[in-house]
Amino acid sequence: DAGVTQSPTHLIKTRGQQVTLRCSPKSGHDTVSWYQQALGQGPQFIFQYYEEEERQRGNFPDRFSGHQFPNYSSELNVNALLLGDSALYLCASSLNRELNRYSGNTIYFGEGSWLTVV
Amino acid sequence: AQTVTQSQPEMSVQEAETVTLSCTYDTSESDYYLFWYKQPPSRQMILVIRQEAYKQQNATENRFSVNFQKAAKSFSLKISDSQLGDAAMYFCAYRRIAGAGSYQLTFGKGTKLSVIP
Repeated sequence: DAGVTQSPTHLIKTRGQQVTLRCSPKSGHDTVSWYQQALGQGPQFIFQYYEEEERQRGNFPDRFSGHQFPNYSSELNVNALLLGDSALYLCASSLNRELNRYSGNTIYFGEGSWLTVV
Repeated sequence: AQTVTQSQPEMSVQEAETVTLSCTYDTSESDYYLFWYKQPPSRQMILVIRQEAYKQQNATENRFSVNFQKAAKSFSLKISDSQLGDAAMYFCAYRRIAGAGSYQLTFGKGTKLSVIP
């Protein structure tokens, strides 16, 4: 049973460029969330996708956008990259019907994509 | 907004000993989830233990247990019989049960745990 897979593992971009990160959720999961983890910090919620729509968004600018495909996989796009966007980007998947129940609620994380902006 | 505070940036424990990691949080909600996640060098966040706020009984998972003090908004993690493989960053996290923001985890800044052989 494949867990959450993310690509690429590492990448280096130049300021002003655009980047796309990809995530395949755990088999059977239909909900994908993205988090940004700066060095020495805890992850911060960027947004969550369910049924191909952005359901919830954290405190991130519009330069951060995403997409969810019919197979539940997801992309995170960041435009006009800044040095401060350098971070580990984590994808987390879950099952929507478990998110709203007391008994469920297990969220699985991928190993992340390291983005360095120079 | 909810906040999670971990006041111990680093901790160390002797192998086979017990260590307690601290976490406090701030919320106006009466019902919510609390979590401890482990992040080893591989960077994958792994769920260690979960506590539902409506449950008074403290959660336990093998060598891991929590001390949940709802009134004090405190949620500490106790690791018994520490093993070398326990060395990692540990994050405390909060999630609302329902309503706005209920789909996101709010994390603390983490505690780096070292295990001394």
